[in-house]
Amino acid sequence: DGGITQSPKYLFRKEGQNVTLSCEQNLNHDAMYWYRQDPGQGLRLIYYSQIVNDFQKGDIAEGYSVSREKKESFPLTVTSAQKNPTAFYLCASSISGVATGELFFGEGSRLTVL
Amino acid sequence: GNSVTQMEGPVTLSEEAFLTINCTYTATGYPSLFWYVQYPGEGLQLLLKATKADDKGSNKGFEATYRKETTSFHLEKGSVQVSDSAVYFCALSDPVTGGGNKLTFGTGTQLKVEL
Repeated sequence: DGGITQSPKYLFRKEGQNVTLSCEQNLNHDAMYWYRQDPGQGLRLIYYSQIVNDFQKGDIAEGYSVSREKKESFPLTVTSAQKNPTAFYLCASSISGVATGELFFGEGSRLTVL
Repeated sequence: GNSVTQMEGPVTLSEEAFLTINCTYTATGYPSLFWYVQYPGEGLQLLLKATKADDKGSNKGFEATYRKETTSFHLEKGSVQVSDSAVYFCALSDPVTGGGNKLTFGTGTQLKVEL
């Protein structure tokens, strides 16, 4: 089945540790996105990539890093510089170059900092 | 900048009741408007969309009309079911500042439908 796979679904980390969230898609989409979801704040864009080997900061990029070495993969690293990393992280993809607005989302990864 | 404002939840309704979830927006240019739905434990999925003023998006009994004069895109359904219980997000994509499919989301409105 075509879709987006995020892993792990739940992740715990200690303060000061970096952690990487995986996002893989087999939809042949050019564009991929990372959003953060917090209660009462909706979704906020962290990073997005319209094409392989290129990515742009979203609204809340500080403390995060990404890479886009393959079309299928867009991993997100939550670094120790992120002051409040406990959140639900959603990865999405879309057809690039056409403003259809339809994003396809994974099921999310819930990160908890202990 | 762009922003989307939704009514706060949770909204609790009895089955077969009429649903309205309000959404208003602020944007430069001429945005496209969307409603996404998030069922428990899942990611978001597109429910409906409208790309220009006076367009009506519809899907699964839900409807929303793009009202430019009131900058609104309210979600409605004539008769809700328990299976409609979810969180609903209003969103906009502004082709001038957003670039492609970059969306701005509202805070989400939780809907609970009871028997």
